Amino acid sequence: DGGITQSPKYLFRKEGQNVTLSCEQNLNHDAMYWYRQDPGQGLRLIYYSQIVNDFQKGDIAEGYSVSREKKESFPLTVTSAQKNPTAFYLCASTFWGGGQPQHFGDGTRLSIL
Amino acid sequence: GQQLNQSPQSMFIQEGEDVSMNCTSSSIFNTWLWYKQDPGEGPVLLIALYKAGELTSNGRLTAQFGITRKDSFLNISASIPSDVGIYFCAGQFRNAGNMLTFGGGTRLMVKP
Repeated sequence: DGGITQSPKYLFRKEGQNVTLSCEQNLNHDAMYWYRQDPGQGLRLIYYSQIVNDFQKGDIAEGYSVSREKKESFPLTVTSAQKNPTAFYLCASTFWGGGQPQHFGDGTRLSIL
Repeated sequence: GQQLNQSPQSMFIQEGEDVSMNCTSSSIFNTWLWYKQDPGEGPVLLIALYKAGELTSNGRLTAQFGITRKDSFLNISASIPSDVGIYFCAGQFRNAGNMLTFGGGTRLMVKP
């Protein structure tokens, strides 16, 4: 089935540790996005990528890093510099341009041990 | 970043009632989108609106793209328990890489 797969579903981070969240899509979408969602809040953009080997900061990029080595994959690393990483992280993708809507994965919930 | 003004923030209704929620913005958008998010899941696209004044239905859901392109509403008719969740509006600029600006969400609770 075509779709966006995020893994793991739940992730725990120790103090001072970097963790990486996976996002894979088989929809042949050009653009991929990472959002953060806090309880009772809307979605805030962390990073996005239009094409392979290119990505741009969103509204809340500090403490996060990404890579886009393959069209299908857009992993997000939550670094130790992110002091409040507990949140629900959502990955989305779409075709670049033409006003196509974004489609979302099922999210990863990150918590601090 | 900018957020859309979405209201109400939450609603608690009786099964069978109709529901209405709306979003407004100071900016003009090319596209308005409505998503539903179940607890612990990602948002799922319900309706996409591409033209000012457009009225679109998807089963019991009806949404309209405001004529000024600065607002949109979503109606749910004859609500059922599985309508429970958080509904988000999102505005999209076509020439900005399909970037989305989200509303704060409307939490819908349905009493059987």
